[in-house]
Amino acid sequence: GAGVSQTPSNKVTEKGKYVELRCDPISGHTALYWYRQSLGQGPEFLIYFQGTGAADDSGLPNDRFFAVRPEGSVSTLKIQRTERGDSAVYLCASSQQTGLQNNEQFFGPGTRLTVL
Amino acid sequence: AQKITQTQPGMFVQEKEAVTLDCTYDTSDPSYGLFWYKQPSSGEMIFLIYQGSYDQQNATEGRYSLNFQKARKSANLVISASQLGDSAMYFCAMRGATGGYQKVTFGTGTKLQVIP
Repeated sequence: GAGVSQTPSNKVTEKGKYVELRCDPISGHTALYWYRQSLGQGPEFLIYFQGTGAADDSGLPNDRFFAVRPEGSVSTLKIQRTERGDSAVYLCASSQQTGLQNNEQFFGPGTRLTVL
Repeated sequence: AQKITQTQPGMFVQEKEAVTLDCTYDTSDPSYGLFWYKQPSSGEMIFLIYQGSYDQQNATEGRYSLNFQKARKSANLVISASQLGDSAMYFCAMRGATGGYQKVTFGTGTKLQVIP
């Protein structure tokens, strides 16, 4: 079946602009995660959805970042007033089960965001 | 808080040889899971292997095995019979009960290059 997909694959924007990054999880996966991967680093957790609600948004760096998942499937990560430091690869992952130690997260290819 | 340390920024291995990628971790959770992911140049994170903190035996998945030493808080990945396609970034990761087994903490990664 289809894996996690993310659009766009690349996004170049100017400082101060607003951007939206989209994630389509694997069909039937109830949990969805956003991570940010800066150059030379491992992914950093941003937010986790269980169904439509954000169960843990403790990784969002500030209030310029917001994410939604209105129907419990597709999710959109929104960044307002972008800054050059927001440049990174934004990864989305989904999983079928929650609350289990060995619950595997399946990752998408990521969106590379460049803020000029 | 959880922390993953990968001290090898880069490693070389001859094709068909075995290689060990180091990972140490720190957590106050009594129950946690340890993971290894492979990230090729395409950017997608590929799950390789999982080890639970209460598992008695070291995990194995094909050519991958995890050398889990709980007292030392280490979870090294061993790749046997290296192949050219193994060249990639490798990330050690963990999640624990504190984050409801949802929030994954990643290390900074090791870049493995397999030499023909």
